[in-house]
Amino acid sequence: ETGVTQTPRHLVMGMTNKKSLKCEQHLGHNAMYWYKQSAKKPLELMFVYSLEERVENNSVPSRFSPECPNSSHLFLHLHTLQPEDSALYLCASSLTSGRETQYFGPGTRLLVL
Amino acid sequence: AQSVAQPEDQVNVAEGNPLTVKCTYSVSGNPYLFWYVQYPNRGLQFLLKYITGDNLVKGSYGFEAEFNKSQTSFHLKKPSALVSDSALYFCAVREGGSARQLTFGSGTQLTV
Repeated sequence: ETGVTQTPRHLVMGMTNKKSLKCEQHLGHNAMYWYKQSAKKPLELMFVYSLEERVENNSVPSRFSPECPNSSHLFLHLHTLQPEDSALYLCASSLTSGRETQYFGPGTRLLVL
Repeated sequence: AQSVAQPEDQVNVAEGNPLTVKCTYSVSGNPYLFWYVQYPNRGLQFLLKYITGDNLVKGSYGFEAEFNKSQTSFHLKKPSALVSDSALYFCAVREGGSARQLTFGSGTQLTV
């Protein structure tokens, strides 16, 4: 599990706060992903980056803003979130954004008050 | 379009008994199929995948899955369940050769 790390592991924020989630992968992969996991719902793919370029954005609200400064790091900037945004946010990476296996980080448990 | 279904939210099995977690899929072309496991407060861990070749795929921790094209299924199995197998299991699919990303099922909670 140390291949993909996420910080912080837990985050509580108010609706007017600005915070950032960080993901780092040590696997030499070129693709990185953000997923949202809510209770009793399938994983929702939010963003995909391949070679630092965003290749997919699944109609995610603009209050979520991703950033991929290099192939090892991925951020998710949060601002003016809503209580329904409370969820587990998972980062994953794969060798490319093709058929290779995705490896997941432990997630950040977010609570929006 | 691609989709995956896990028809059981919860599966209970006695320790030592065989376990099966069901998954069915729908894709236009050839499927790439994956199983992941999630323990409490952890991310998803890769168990096994089917891309091509032998329909019976063996993975981590003694798990295996059988690809059945006619039934569009990819059920996860283990001959003898352990208490430590208790976790949330996710099936995922993507259409081979396409630009689509993985689609995950809603998960099955296994309790041993």
